[in-house]
Amino acid sequence: SQQGEEDPQALSIQEGENATMNCSYKTSINNLQWYRQNSGRGLVHLILIRSNEREKHSGRLRVTLDTSKKSSSLLITASRAADTASYFCATDAGYSSASKIIFGSGTRLSIRP
Amino acid sequence: EPEVTQTPSHQVTQMGQEVILRCVPISNHLYFYWYRQILGQKVEFLVSFYNNEISEKSEIFDDQFSVERPDGSNFTLKIRSTKLEDSAMYFCATVKIATNEKLFFGSGTQLSVL
Repeated sequence: SQQGEEDPQALSIQEGENATMNCSYKTSINNLQWYRQNSGRGLVHLILIRSNEREKHSGRLRVTLDTSKKSSSLLITASRAADTASYFCATDAGYSSASKIIFGSGTRLSIRP
Repeated sequence: EPEVTQTPSHQVTQMGQEVILRCVPISNHLYFYWYRQILGQKVEFLVSFYNNEISEKSEIFDDQFSVERPDGSNFTLKIRSTKLEDSAMYFCATVKIATNEKLFFGSGTQLSVL
């Protein structure tokens, strides 16, 4: 079974619109992270939210976490062409001290000009 | 300057050959990881390494795989006898001291097994 699953698998929106991606996970966690990947390159950390936090903001990014539903969402506001990438959630699956960080299957986001 | 450098960027090998992938983090990195990603698919956890020993490993990380940090700097992944299905992008990642669980990724090594 997968620890993190994002939906949708793919999302195409018009530039300027907001993009929302969701992540569900199965086990308890200490924190949840979101990463971005451009065209098979290395992943880049976007934001981390702790299990005792419900919402976090960073620039145009807004992340929510609902531990009762074991789900998180990533909202990108006022999307730009440069936001085109794959977005992954990652959890520590309850492991202590960052010993195992598991990625979901990702959402491919395409921004149409 | 990137936090984590991986070499080589591409590696082509014959099935059954051994390969060694290298990762060089800048100092003050605490945890070390190897992940792999088959084209267009998810990023799969292979192994984590802490305090000079394996911390966790996945079912993918079988006896054909090994990791070490021989000189306190380079972090290597060795595949002893490569199989066709080992073809993938391999990413090294690290967690720095005092950055919680934020991962710094290298740019990856594309391994092609022929």
